[in-house]
Amino acid sequence: DGGITQSPKYLFRKEGQNVTLSCEQNLNHDAMYWYRQDPGQGLRLIYYSQIVNDFQKGDIAEGYSVSREKKESFPLTVTSAQKNPTAFYLCASSRTGGIDTQYFGPGTRLTVL
Amino acid sequence: AQSVTQLGSHVSVSEGALVLLRCNYSSSVPPYLFWYVQYPNQGLQLLLKYTTGATLVKGINGFEAEFKKSETSFHLTKPSAHMSDAAEYFCAVSVNDYKLSFGAGTTVTVRA
Repeated sequence: DGGITQSPKYLFRKEGQNVTLSCEQNLNHDAMYWYRQDPGQGLRLIYYSQIVNDFQKGDIAEGYSVSREKKESFPLTVTSAQKNPTAFYLCASSRTGGIDTQYFGPGTRLTVL
Repeated sequence: AQSVTQLGSHVSVSEGALVLLRCNYSSSVPPYLFWYVQYPNQGLQLLLKYTTGATLVKGINGFEAEFKKSETSFHLTKPSAHMSDAAEYFCAVSVNDYKLSFGAGTTVTVRA
């Protein structure tokens, strides 16, 4: 089955630790995205990548980093510089961009203790 | 910059009643508009989208939305609510490559 996988589903970390969230897609999509979701705020774009080895900051990139070494993978690292990292993180992909539908993974809920 | 406003953070309807979720957008250029649904602790699923052409767009699960340029609106409707429609719904707008701007979401509860 084609789709987007995110792991783990739930993640707990101590304050001050970096943590990496996994996102893999087998849809052969060029574009991939990371969003953060907080209650009552909708989704906010963290980073996006249009093609391998290239990515751009979204609206709330501070305290986050990404890499795009393979077309299928777009891991997100939440660094200790992110002041409020507890949130639900969603990865998405689209065939190219613009009006192409973005398909979402099941999400990772990160809790920083 | 484009933005989306969803009127009403919570909507409660009776089973079998009309579902109406309101979405207004601001954009200086013709937008592309989307409605997504999210079930608890899951990702988002596309319900429908408007790009160009017919302003009444039909989606999955019996939902439809109408693009009204004069009102800058893209309201989502379903004639008869089902218990399985209980979820959170997001309106989104795109005016350039790659970036979607989402509304804050509307949570729908369905009363038996």
